[in-house]
Amino acid sequence: IVLTQSPATLSLSPGERATLSCRASQSVSRYLAWYQQKPGQAPRLLIYDTSNRAAGIPARFSGSGSGTDFTLTISSLEPEDFAVYYCQQRSNWPPNTFGQGTKLEIK
Amino acid sequence: QVQLQASGPGLVRPSETLSLTCTVSGGSISSDYWSWIRQPPGRGLEWIGYVYHSGSTSYNPSLTSRATISVDPSKIQFSLRLTSVTAADTAVYYCARSYYNVLTGYYNANWFDPWGHGTLVTVSS
Repeated sequence: IVLTQSPATLSLSPGERATLSCRASQSVSRYLAWYQQKPGQAPRLLIYDTSNRAAGIPARFSGSGSGTDFTLTISSLEPEDFAVYYCQQRSNWPPNTFGQGTKLEIK
Repeated sequence: QVQLQASGPGLVRPSETLSLTCTVSGGSISSDYWSWIRQPPGRGLEWIGYVYHSGSTSYNPSLTSRATISVDPSKIQFSLRLTSVTAADTAVYYCARSYYNVLTGYYNANWFDPWGHGTLVTVSS
């Protein structure tokens, strides 16, 4: 299953709302996760099974979707949220597959 | 809190075998699934495979003929061997544990958290 993320780069200001998209080449049901990766760091799990926040993840992060179209929303951007975001599916494995990433940068 | 640290040679010659070890601290390795995931420079993430604490494994079909993941509970480590490497295997290699939410009891082998700090492996002569 190929995951396509859009946009490749998203330029926003702190306080704005961010909407990131992930589209699957075939249905993954609700078996989709989102990760955040900051420069020089390992990825961190944000959201699993489409809409469940991982432990310790702030409520401003939310996920939605089903089937082939998914969205990660950050309701009000904090300075620490500017990073690269990856989606990942576990519906049809092996292998687990990741999207190519969306870079969220400061405008 | 479980922490992971990948280690191994930073340079491997083409056609040779890449060997990495992930050391787990702050918890037991005698449960859960333990994964290797890699990231070529400037590119996205690729799941290599995982090992269960019992020793059973699952691999990315694109790498299954070259990859071996094993676990050593006595050393609280798990390892990756990748044979016949080429420049395309140059990447930052991460080790990770399957996700477990201690508050809700939710567990799944195919979500990954936490991850260790990655180690860069360059394949070059």
